[in-house]
Amino acid sequence: DAGITQSPRYKITETGRQVTLMCHQTWSHSYMFWYRQDLGHGLRLIYYSAAADITDKGEVSDGYVVSRSKTENFPLTLESATRSQTSVYFCATRGEGGTYEQYFGPGTRLTVT
Amino acid sequence: GEDVEQSLFLSVREGDSSVINCTYTDSSSTYLYWYKQEPGAGLQLLTYIFSNMDMKQDQRLTVLLNKKDKHLSLRIADTQTGDSAIYFCAETGGYNKLIFGAGTRLAVHP
Repeated sequence: DAGITQSPRYKITETGRQVTLMCHQTWSHSYMFWYRQDLGHGLRLIYYSAAADITDKGEVSDGYVVSRSKTENFPLTLESATRSQTSVYFCATRGEGGTYEQYFGPGTRLTVT
Repeated sequence: GEDVEQSLFLSVREGDSSVINCTYTDSSSTYLYWYKQEPGAGLQLLTYIFSNMDMKQDQRLTVLLNKKDKHLSLRIADTQTGDSAIYFCAETGGYNKLIFGAGTRLAVHP
């Protein structure tokens, strides 16, 4: 039971390039989330999705695009990477119970040079 | 506004108790959570507490909630080196999202 997987785990890209981070879950949870983690900021929400084909912006969505054509996948695309997008990116799902807890993937460390 | 605050660093001796504190701002938060992050890993849910509870105990972990002061704490009894990690407090922030603090780095020394 893999739970949540993210790929790649590490990525180095250049400024201006498009890059896609993948997230896959095996639980069929409805809600999925993308966060970025930066020193001193904790985790900040980029985008979330309540179900396939339903997505909404979080607090730091500029420069990012998401899609959710299938329940199990929630890719995050940086359309034109900038150095300020160097970060660790976490995907998460929310359990189906009423306690709203979220379960996190292992993260992708992205460096934009 | 929504803001969760934590002290950034805590150092304790092995075998002592650790207390990690958090303040939150949204009095309507339904649940409050503690997550643990070990180096190079994602966040792992440790425990959560419902907003109408004052205390929750789970083995070595004790969560205390003071709703009046919007203060949440996590006590780890008999702290071990394996408890060294970053601990995040989080609250429900509406529309099913969680609001996280910046994290408290716990260092356990012999």
